[in-house]
Amino acid sequence: EAGVAQSPRYKIIEKRQSVAFWCNPISGHATLYWYQQILGQGPKLLIQFQNNGVVDDSQLPKDRFSAERLKGVDSTLKIQPAKLEDSAVYLCASSWAWSDTQYFGPGTRLTVL
Amino acid sequence: TQLLEQSPQFLSIQEGENLTVYCNSSSVFSSLQWYRQEPGEGPVLLVTVVTGGEVKKLKRLTFQFGDARKDSSLHITAAQPGDTGLYLCARRTGNQFYFGTGTSLTVIP
Repeated sequence: EAGVAQSPRYKIIEKRQSVAFWCNPISGHATLYWYQQILGQGPKLLIQFQNNGVVDDSQLPKDRFSAERLKGVDSTLKIQPAKLEDSAVYLCASSWAWSDTQYFGPGTRLTVL
Repeated sequence: TQLLEQSPQFLSIQEGENLTVYCNSSSVFSSLQWYRQEPGEGPVLLVTVVTGGEVKKLKRLTFQFGDARKDSSLHITAAQPGDTGLYLCARRTGNQFYFGTGTSLTVIP
């Protein structure tokens, strides 16, 4: 079974630029998560989708971050405009509906200069 | 608070040694997960413990959930270089998973 796919793997941008990350979850997984992992810290949940609906986005900085999962499969996370403190690894994970077992993708490492 | 404190933050040991890492919280949690994250990869779930006092073994890894369900430990016997990575504990509260800051383990051949 194919794992969670993410792209790009690496991205370097300047502050105030925009960036988008893409995630393709494991086939059939209804739940999709986006996490931010700053160097030296554990992952922090940004947003959780159940199919194409948002379950929790309480920790998403909505003034600059947005995410969508239009058809309940792939998802895109966008940052506009980026700040220096957004430098981090952005992880996507998926699971069967309401399951405790999450499967993580390899992440996108974002560097904001 | 949802804070999970992990200790030690960094650990470097020789191959063959034993080690224990800890995950502590000031509040009770219903279950706890342990993950290992290798450089450049996402975390991989190792185990979920749900019952106070529960002990689970995964080859050379032994996971224990405290009786009061406020703490957990991971013990590795005869560590190997392949055990190198970031060990994360996580708890679920409602829809959210909260992760600890992790223990970065390096096993030197």
